[in-house]
Amino acid sequence: GESVGLHLPTLSVQEGDNSIINCAYSNSASDYFIWYKQESGKGPQFIIDIRSNMDKRQGQRVTVLLNKTVKHLSLQIAATQPGDSAVYFCAENSPNSGYSTLTFGKGTMLLVSP
Amino acid sequence: DSGVTQTPKHLITATGQRVTLRCSPRSGDLSVYWYQQSLDQGLQFLIQYYNGEERAKGNILERFSAQQFPDLHSELNLSSLELGDSALYFCASSVGPNSGANVLTFGAGSRLTVL
Repeated sequence: GESVGLHLPTLSVQEGDNSIINCAYSNSASDYFIWYKQESGKGPQFIIDIRSNMDKRQGQRVTVLLNKTVKHLSLQIAATQPGDSAVYFCAENSPNSGYSTLTFGKGTMLLVSP
Repeated sequence: DSGVTQTPKHLITATGQRVTLRCSPRSGDLSVYWYQQSLDQGLQFLIQYYNGEERAKGNILERFSAQQFPDLHSELNLSSLELGDSALYFCASSVGPNSGANVLTFGAGSRLTVL
């Protein structure tokens, strides 16, 4: 498949481990945050989202934590599987006058070894 | 299959040329977003259309333009192409006009190579 990025931070884990991917966002006015997963040769795929009035949200095997004090977002993946290998992007939604824009972080590559 | 269709999947062209990328949003979605993904810049928001009207503008060059047609498909036109325009171009769609209230669904992308 095609490489998304050659110089991404990389997290290497063993199958079955828990993974934690971190993201620092920039705009204290951002009100909505999303994690996307991008597999090689594919477009970003929605994983989980969280609004700024929450600090934790859980999905199936995934948990997102939001710390607005330090503008930090994390994605926790439980019992990581080889199929979880991908680039993970956090995105923040920043309101502007009349519209909002979704800004993506640089991404973290997760490599899961069997 | 996300439901967002992008064509062509791959495109190779020369500097100075013009290309058109096409996107059909997911059925029922009225918003279309265009993003550029390059190795050094990550995913950069270019422009958004909602129900045929321009809704938001990001880092889109003046050489680039887009439109959304009455059937809601969108086209991104890239002209006077430069080597640095080589990238993956993604289209995404959502139901409503606000990216803070709607999940964006992405297509598989169009890879543009400028030689």
